[in-house]
Amino acid sequence: QQQVKQSPQSLIVQKGGISIINCAYENTAFDYFPWYQQFPGKGPALLIAIRPDVSEKKEGRFTISFNKSAKQFSLHIMDSQPGDSATYFCAAGGNTDKLIFGTGTRLQVFP
Amino acid sequence: GAGVSQTPSNKVTEKGKYVELRCDPISGHTALYWYRQSLGQGPEFLIYFQGTGAADDSGLPNDRFFAVRPEGSVSTLKIQRTERGDSAVYLCASSLRGGLSYNEQFFGPGTRLTVL
Repeated sequence: QQQVKQSPQSLIVQKGGISIINCAYENTAFDYFPWYQQFPGKGPALLIAIRPDVSEKKEGRFTISFNKSAKQFSLHIMDSQPGDSATYFCAAGGNTDKLIFGTGTRLQVFP
Repeated sequence: GAGVSQTPSNKVTEKGKYVELRCDPISGHTALYWYRQSLGQGPEFLIYFQGTGAADDSGLPNDRFFAVRPEGSVSTLKIQRTERGDSAVYLCASSLRGGLSYNEQFFGPGTRLTVL
């Protein structure tokens, strides 16, 4: 019940395309859903996050879509750029200190 | 304005040895977290400190793992009798406040531990 399932494991997108990464969770106590971006040799960095009181949040080219009834959320990267090539992790948290991370999606954006 | 720093960046040790991994959080951050990231996986929670005390150590895999934060700033993760399965990147994160996961956690670059 503590798992967060993430797909796909890897994603190849052409420059200018849309990258979509999906996550699903089981624990209905989760009420905070961040996405982290990680470059090789670096720690994860917060990209964007959503609370379940809204169904969508947009920051620049990055959008989170949230479906509470389906217990799913996704990250959309519009106009994907080679500099977006990284590993992306979804995570979930609640009234506790810890974050539960998905297994990651390696995104490669080709020019 | 420095971020979270971790030392060493890489540590190679032999099976059965003792290792210490250090984390310097962002100045003023009261909460500190340790995560472990195995190859191809997401970070896995180990322990959370609020100030000097371990508020949640439910993620520590066994009693070979121990962490301290004696003055409420720097933290050390200690692993006794290392095993090959302990090989991973150990990440430290800090946040201004703790207790709730939506307080943004800032991660360090990690220490890559290899147990031969």
